[in-house]
Amino acid sequence: KAGVTQTPRYLIKTRGQQVTLSCSPISGHRSVSWYQQTPGQGLQFLFEYFSETQRNKGNFPGRFSGRQFSNSRSEMNVSTLELGDSALYLCASSLAADYPYEQYFGPGTRLTVT
Amino acid sequence: SQQGEEDPQALSIQEGENATMNCSYKTSINNLQWYRQNSGRGLVHLILIRSNEREKHSGRLRVTLDTSKKSSSLLITASRAADTASYFCATGGTGNQFYFGTGTSLTVIP
Repeated sequence: KAGVTQTPRYLIKTRGQQVTLSCSPISGHRSVSWYQQTPGQGLQFLFEYFSETQRNKGNFPGRFSGRQFSNSRSEMNVSTLELGDSALYLCASSLAADYPYEQYFGPGTRLTVT
Repeated sequence: SQQGEEDPQALSIQEGENATMNCSYKTSINNLQWYRQNSGRGLVHLILIRSNEREKHSGRLRVTLDTSKKSSSLLITASRAADTASYFCATGGTGNQFYFGTGTSLTVIP
């Protein structure tokens, strides 16, 4: 069974631009969560989607948004990029949202904002 | 903050020794998970323990949970060089919203 895939793996953007990251969950998994990992703040929860609906949202500004498609694939978008958005963005999928199933993480997308 | 806090921040041991790391959290939880992250690699799920469980084993891993003290511990027995990694606890409420701790960096010296 293929794991969680994230594209692109590396991205360099300029301050003020916007970026879209993609995540394909494990086949059959319906829940997709996004996390931001930085050396200073560690791993922080961004949001979680289940059946195309955002179920939970972390404490991030509105510049961070996401969506989930009917095939469970998910995208997250960051608009008006700031230098502080440079981070590793991790996507995790799990079987369902209402039960604490294990989360399986993708390799991440390394975003650098210059 | 619901973020867990691991202790110690860094741990260095000889191969074959046991490694223990602790996680403390602040709010009520539904479950707690431990993850490992190797340098340059993604997070790998190690073990999940639910709030009504007190201890769980998986191979060389043993996790305990004390909800009255809001703490958990991860014990790795007979450590190997390949266990060198950062270890994170993640606390979960309802659904799949998890809050990760700051991590313990474990170095196992061959």
